[in-house]
Amino acid sequence: EAQVTQNPRYLITVTGKKLTVTCSQNMNHEYMSWYRQDPGLGLRQIYYSMNVEVTDKGDVPEGYKVSRKEKRNFPLILESPSPNQTSLYFCASSPRTFYEQYFGPGTRLTVT
Amino acid sequence: GIQVEQSPPDLILQEGANSTLRCNFSDSVNNLQWFHQNPWGQLINLFYIPSGTKQNGRLSATTVATERYSLLYISSSQTTDSGVYFCAVLYNNNDMRFGAGTRLTVKP
Repeated sequence: EAQVTQNPRYLITVTGKKLTVTCSQNMNHEYMSWYRQDPGLGLRQIYYSMNVEVTDKGDVPEGYKVSRKEKRNFPLILESPSPNQTSLYFCASSPRTFYEQYFGPGTRLTVT
Repeated sequence: GIQVEQSPPDLILQEGANSTLRCNFSDSVNNLQWFHQNPWGQLINLFYIPSGTKQNGRLSATTVATERYSLLYISSSQTTDSGVYFCAVLYNNNDMRFGAGTRLTVKP
């Protein structure tokens, strides 16, 4: 089954404790992206990757890191999480840049 | 940066009614997509539609890029159509911006 998976689905953590949210797709897609969704602010792009070892900043990259060492995986890293990073995070993939995107189920992160 | 405005912000329909959702954007875009977020939070791509008209069952979309708007039509609405509908644009070739969404409630 074609899908994008994210883990964990829910996470409560404390300020400053490094964490990684994993994202994996099994469709051999070149393009992958991370978004955060916040009430009143909608969906905003954090980082995207057009292929292996090619990543770039989206609208709100501050406080986040990504890597794309393999085509299928695109982890989101929060080196020192802060409460303003409490949000719902989505990973997405598509065959090429901004083509039909497939979204993961979302990761709800709370930073206290 | 580019502004993406969706209207109406909220829409309540009776099952079986038709509706039109609008997405206006303030500058030239490379591409446009429509998404549906169901009440459980799942995001699903509906249309990739940089220009022209596409149809998929009861849903269709039209983008007039020269006039900077896109429309999403929902015919014979069903309760399963409830959720939030987003448009998103690609501009400057790599930058993406979402609209704030239209929250649709379809009552049985």
